[in-house]
Amino acid sequence: AQSVTQPDIHITVSEGASLELRCNYSYGATPYLFWYVQSPGQGLQLLLKYFSGDTLVQGIKGFEAEFKRSQSSFNLRKPSVHWSDAAEYFCAVGVGTNAGKSTFGDGTTLTVKP
Amino acid sequence: DAGVTQSPTHLIKTRGQQVTLRCSPKSGHDTVSWYQQALGQGPQFIFQYYEEEERQRGNFPDRFSGHQFPNYSSELNVNALLLGDSALYLCASSLGGGHGYTFGSGTRLTVV
Repeated sequence: AQSVTQPDIHITVSEGASLELRCNYSYGATPYLFWYVQSPGQGLQLLLKYFSGDTLVQGIKGFEAEFKRSQSSFNLRKPSVHWSDAAEYFCAVGVGTNAGKSTFGDGTTLTVKP
Repeated sequence: DAGVTQSPTHLIKTRGQQVTLRCSPKSGHDTVSWYQQALGQGPQFIFQYYEEEERQRGNFPDRFSGHQFPNYSSELNVNALLLGDSALYLCASSLGGGHGYTFGSGTRLTVV
């Protein structure tokens, strides 16, 4: 069975600083990987996804993620964080291209300092 | 264009009762997945409906059941509620189960 680990429960960065959120996955085949963001009391919004091809994936809101098969990682990055990026971020691995049956990590809470 | 709509937004139930949660998928979507998100945890897959049938199921007991209607809307039913069923229940829809899932804002269920 697949699993996802997000090692950092909580990260604090200053506005304008760069950001990297870590994600490690375990899956026996080619993974289909996703990053979502969740604001308090809201549902999940898809930031980006990786199915195949270029291992550097661009998403919405200036986010990108890099798939590294050798490290079983799919880390999320942003060069300059804005205060509105404060939220909870979830990494997920999907079963095939069926993104509707995904296994999620427990999330990383991002706090942005002014 | 409305996204995924879930109702109610909040509800409180007593242990042992039954509850029904509702989801209207995004326009043009035909596949609905349900997730349970406990406080401080990531969402856990409950099941997925396509063509009015349960296509995939996660590791949840039979107390959790669902239905999809011809208009693609869906219901999640939970019987014999336990305190541990308290969570945010999320519905997500897509076209054909492929990528591009859209999540609703969820229903917050509290069992007392």
